[in-house]
Amino acid sequence: EVQVMEFGGGLVQPGGSLRLSCAASGFSFSSYAMTWVRQAPGKGLEWVSSITGSGDSTYHADSVKGRFSISRDNSRNTLYLQMNSLRAEDTAVYYCAKESGPYFSYYVMDVWGQGTTVTVSS
Amino acid sequence: DIQMTQSPSSLSASVGDRVTITCRASQDISHYLAWYQQKPGKVPKLLMYAASTLQPGVSSRFSGSGSGTDFTLTISSVQPEDAATYYCQRYNFAPLTFGGGTKVEIK
Repeated sequence: EVQVMEFGGGLVQPGGSLRLSCAASGFSFSSYAMTWVRQAPGKGLEWVSSITGSGDSTYHADSVKGRFSISRDNSRNTLYLQMNSLRAEDTAVYYCAKESGPYFSYYVMDVWGQGTTVTVSS
Repeated sequence: DIQMTQSPSSLSASVGDRVTITCRASQDISHYLAWYQQKPGKVPKLLMYAASTLQPGVSSRFSGSGSGTDFTLTISSVQPEDAATYYCQRYNFAPLTFGGGTKVEIK
């Protein structure tokens, strides 16, 4: 079964850092791009960051650019999101999603994880 | 950046009604439009891609149309299990913008 599962959420103070992980199974991980999407409490979906299957290209939303960094370890079938300089407005459920192809353009998010909650508060 | 605007933001329908949700892109995105369904407290689920191609396993009650800037998601005969928020998303190039969502309530 194709699955992705997020880890690493929690409570962090403003200005702090957190690293999210997403463990993938049931598919050839390096063949697919991966994406992080977040959802603030009571709000809609916001695309955050994407990375190609090979890891050689990434893209971040303007709202997180310079603070968040997406990466992957294809030998461990794991996706990461390093989040620095966290703000209250980063509070959200963070979803990891598998893209349907090797790039994040022209492909859709066909498998989603259950999400991990990040709360930024003092 | 290309903006995605959905309408209405919410609607209430009776079982068996035909429901139509609209998504408009601020620039031409060809057919690179996906629809996701998110039931309350659940994970988003891919319903449709390429504007009108149903994801395997999705009910044929759902259909999509459009190209360029204007797209629609139609539920031909809405059922209680269709109560959810529906999001459109463009995927031609990053940033991969979502629409604001349309909440469908069943009376």
